[in-house]
Amino acid sequence: AQSVTQPDIHITVSEGASLELRCNYSYGATPYLFWYVQSPGQGLQLLLKYFSGDTLVQGIKGFEAEFKRSQSSFNLRKPSVHWSDAAEYFCAVGGQSGATNKLIFGTGTLLAVQP
Amino acid sequence: GAVVSQHPSWVICKSGTSVKIECRSLDFQATTMFWYRQFPKQSLMLMATSNEGSKATYEQGVEKDKFLINHASLTLSTLTVTSAHPEDSSFYICSARRPDREVEQYFGPGTRLTVT
Repeated sequence: AQSVTQPDIHITVSEGASLELRCNYSYGATPYLFWYVQSPGQGLQLLLKYFSGDTLVQGIKGFEAEFKRSQSSFNLRKPSVHWSDAAEYFCAVGGQSGATNKLIFGTGTLLAVQP
Repeated sequence: GAVVSQHPSWVICKSGTSVKIECRSLDFQATTMFWYRQFPKQSLMLMATSNEGSKATYEQGVEKDKFLINHASLTLSTLTVTSAHPEDSSFYICSARRPDREVEQYFGPGTRLTVT
């Protein structure tokens, strides 16, 4: 079955510290992987995506993620967190085309940033 | 860019009434639009997939007679919650897909529905 697991429901980091949000997926075909960020009461903003090629992808706001096929993971990282990064982060997996084109979302990780 | 808007951003309605939510792709034509529901502190749950000019495909467990979806044009999809009840209160988010980018979805800002 297709699924996305975000093991950490809630993470708190200090401003300026590094961040890693975990994401593991289960998908029968070649996955397309996404990280989205959601501020309270807002829609989703795409941070970055992986389709193919270089397994380390750069996104907006200084975020990056690394696709590791052997570990079925797509963890999100940022070297230095800013207070404005406090939000909910969702990992998602999608298929290549047709009926499998739906996105499957993880349960999200809520990031809090301490001053 | 690929901008998706939703209207209204929030709505309060009385139990038993119907409410319509609009989803528009502002700068592209969307062959497919999706409707999601999000409960507080939870993830997005896909309700239905809407293709222009055809009937929506609903996910298992979603009542198609209660959540009416119409995708009348390449830039507009509507979700009508019929005979709303307090348990229908939720955050509804739409997304749209461009024909030249068949995997990416562009999300609207969401609509907060409260049924009293």
